[in-house]
Amino acid sequence: QQPVQSPQAVILREGEDAVINCSSSKALYSVHWYRQKHGEAPVFLMILLKGGEQKGHEKISASFNEKKQQSSLYLTASQLSYSGTYFCGTAWYDNFNKFYFGSGTKLNVKP
Amino acid sequence: DGGITQSPKYLFRKEGQNVTLSCEQNLNHDAMYWYRQDPGQGLRLIYYSQIVNDFQKGDIAEGYSVSREKKESFPLTVTSAQKNPTAFYLCASSIGGDRAYNEQFFGPGTRLTVL
Repeated sequence: QQPVQSPQAVILREGEDAVINCSSSKALYSVHWYRQKHGEAPVFLMILLKGGEQKGHEKISASFNEKKQQSSLYLTASQLSYSGTYFCGTAWYDNFNKFYFGSGTKLNVKP
Repeated sequence: DGGITQSPKYLFRKEGQNVTLSCEQNLNHDAMYWYRQDPGQGLRLIYYSQIVNDFQKGDIAEGYSVSREKKESFPLTVTSAQKNPTAFYLCASSIGGDRAYNEQFFGPGTRLTVL
């Protein structure tokens, strides 16, 4: 039921790039991405609804593959402020009332 | 500023006690949610409410209870029946009740510790 996120953790130097994946065994209706800094509330980043969709800002973007079973979050030229735990949340295509969060990917950006 | 407030930030409970966590929102959102977060894990849904005076169990409702008497308030009671209540509790809200396509806004959380 819960989507699988990978990697579980990643350490970067400032300026490096990272990719975080979110996979499901079933086709998804939507994928949401959130970032949570330590001890704080998760903050919404973006939602993807269409297969093949790509969206986001310059340096933080995401894609949703054609089969709608995987989404990837791209962090480009990482900054210290990108540190935190990234969660994907997914709704199934055949029962979009079921919405589950992944276990998170901890990103640590170092100077 | 619009947002969600939760209180208290830290809460300590003795075994056998019931405690109530507060959640208030001034975003005029219809739907509200309670999640539990354990270390290294994602957010798991405890209860949700799509409208005043109505709420539904989530995936881990046992040992918890809620009420929704006002649109802006959704308190969570952790009862003595919850065997392992130590966790970080997050309240959230959204404009509509369908999480599949609605952004959720989260409060700052309450960290509950059982002594």
